[in-house]
Amino acid sequence: DVKVTQSSRYLVKRTGEKVFLECVQDMDHENMFWYRQDPGLGLRLIYFSYDVKMKEKGDIPEGYSVSREKKERFSLILESASTNQTSMYLCASSFYHLAGGNSYEQYFGPGTRLTVT
Amino acid sequence: KNEVEQSPQNLTAQEGEFITINCSYSVGISALHWLQQHPGGGIVSLFMLSSGKKKHGRLIATINIQEKHSSLHITASHPRDSAVYICAVRSGSLAHGQNFVFGPGTRLSVLP
Repeated sequence: DVKVTQSSRYLVKRTGEKVFLECVQDMDHENMFWYRQDPGLGLRLIYFSYDVKMKEKGDIPEGYSVSREKKERFSLILESASTNQTSMYLCASSFYHLAGGNSYEQYFGPGTRLTVT
Repeated sequence: KNEVEQSPQNLTAQEGEFITINCSYSVGISALHWLQQHPGGGIVSLFMLSSGKKKHGRLIATINIQEKHSSLHITASHPRDSAVYICAVRSGSLAHGQNFVFGPGTRLSVLP
């Protein structure tokens, strides 16, 4: 069974704090993703990584950075948390298929509900 | 216009009813996923399909590539099916990211 874990289920931080959200997967997946989910907006991609030390911006990267120093771990960093970053954060991972194709799935972690006050 | 749309947005059903959730998309895709998100946030992948129909237990998913439309059906619905169901499409791009475009979700409540 693929397992994707996130460091916290619930987190409360103050405005201006630096926040680290950690994600770990145990299936040697190449790809890892960070999403945020907000009511009425669905899931939106923040950043993704297709290899160690590789990262690409998603749809809403502003205010976030990421780190992938090891294949199994993908960290999302809020350099200076703001109230509009209060959200549910979901991490996911998947295999990378060179040929593209359609035979892979994304596996999601349980989510971290972050509140910035 | 969103690239992936779902209907209905909210759905309440009585236990035992047959349920259909629809997804339409406007981009070329190589795969479509149906995801289930339970209260509390955890997301489970239900189906991944690129053509035809798949069945798993009481769940059936169909896709019509020409019409850019997919449906998720639940037969003999049960209160434990209550969740948000999300349609997600992967574009035909071979870009490294293989990222998805997600629909807004359909919130299903099945009453006993």
